[in-house]
Amino acid sequence: EAQVTQNPRYLITVTGKKLTVTCSQNMNHEYMSWYRQDPGLGLRQIYYSMNVEVTDKGDVPEGYKVSRKEKRNFPLILESPSPNQTSLYFCASSLTGSSWNTIYFGEGSWLTVV
Amino acid sequence: GQQVMQIPQYQHVQEGEDFTTYCNSSTTLSNIQWYKQRPGGHPVFLIQLVKSGEVKKQKRLTFQFGEAKKNSSLHITATQTTDVGTYFCAGAGEYGNKLVFGAGTILRVKS
Repeated sequence: EAQVTQNPRYLITVTGKKLTVTCSQNMNHEYMSWYRQDPGLGLRQIYYSMNVEVTDKGDVPEGYKVSRKEKRNFPLILESPSPNQTSLYFCASSLTGSSWNTIYFGEGSWLTVV
Repeated sequence: GQQVMQIPQYQHVQEGEDFTTYCNSSTTLSNIQWYKQRPGGHPVFLIQLVKSGEVKKQKRLTFQFGEAKKNSSLHITATQTTDVGTYFCAGAGEYGNKLVFGAGTILRVKS
């Protein structure tokens, strides 16, 4: 089954404790990205990757890092989480970076930073 | 940068009533996509519109792309409880660069 898988789905962590949210897709998609969803603000893109070893900042990249060492994986790293990073995070992928492609979202990761 | 404005932010309707959400851009869009997110779920692709004045239907859902390709709408006829969720539009600039999401419209249906 074609899917985007992210883990963990739910996490409560403390300020400053590094964490990684993993993301994997099995559709051989070139393009992957991370979004955060906050009430009233919709989906805002954090980082994206056009292909392996190619990553770029989205609209809200501060406080986040990513890497794309393999085509299928695109982990999101919070080096020193802060409470304003409490949010619902979605990993997504599409065939290419063209806006004409459908975006497939993972099931989401609820992150709370206390 | 490119912005896509979506209204209303929230709508609560009685089951059987119609519902419409609107998406507006200050710049011409090359294409627009619509997604639905059920409560507790993730956004799922509904449809893509690419032509000026295009109208597409999916059962009780009607999607329109404006003549100037700067706005779009999603209309649901006779809402059902299964329609609840958040509806997002996402538009790309005239040269087909990345999709920018609207803030979404939350639909609640009273039975």
